[in-house]
Amino acid sequence: EVQLLESGGGLVQPGGSLGLSCAASGFTFSTYAMSWVRQAPGKGLEWVSAISSSGERTYYADSVRGRFTISRDNSKNTLYLQMNSLRAEDTAVFYCAKLGKVATRDAFDIWGQGTVVTVSS
Amino acid sequence: QSVLTQPPSVSGAPGQRVTISCTGSRSNIGAGYGVHWYQQLPGTAPKLLIYGNTNRPSGVPDRFSGSKSGTSASLAITGLQAEDEADYYCQSNDNSLSVFYVFGTGTKVTVL
Repeated sequence: EVQLLESGGGLVQPGGSLGLSCAASGFTFSTYAMSWVRQAPGKGLEWVSAISSSGERTYYADSVRGRFTISRDNSKNTLYLQMNSLRAEDTAVFYCAKLGKVATRDAFDIWGQGTVVTVSS
Repeated sequence: QSVLTQPPSVSGAPGQRVTISCTGSRSNIGAGYGVHWYQQLPGTAPKLLIYGNTNRPSGVPDRFSGSKSGTSASLAITGLQAEDEADYYCQSNDNSLSVFYVFGTGTKVTVL
């Protein structure tokens, strides 16, 4: 079964740092681009960051560029998001999502259950 | 920072047909990128519903259909059922410098 399992969420003070992980299983992780998508309380979906299958190319939304870093370890089938200089407006559920290939290219075809990040003093 | 606009809500009685619009611009839908749709049931993660404008993943009922024209796209639900009550989001790529992927503002479907 294809599965994504996020971890690492929690409560952090403004200006603090937090690292998220996403463990993948059930598919050949190293051949797929991956992404993080977040959803603030009561709000819609917001794309945060993406990384190519090899990890060589990374992409960020303006709202997090310079503060967040996406990375992956294909030997461990794990995706990461390091978040620094956190702000109250970063409070959200963070989802790990797998990007499709060929016909499903650029679609998020598998999602994790999400991990909650709360930025508050 | 959504750049794809959807109606906040649509509603219909069981068995009826509802449509959800997704309006973009020349930097996203109008640039020829595919449009994808997601269903988010209350308290759960989003699920891919339609990919590449019109295609359904395995297991998605054929009551759901998608279309695209110019800078807009639409999701139609025919034979509306109670379990279709959820939030729906469109998504595409964007060739502006500020974002790579964009989501719609989201539409709440209510079954009356």
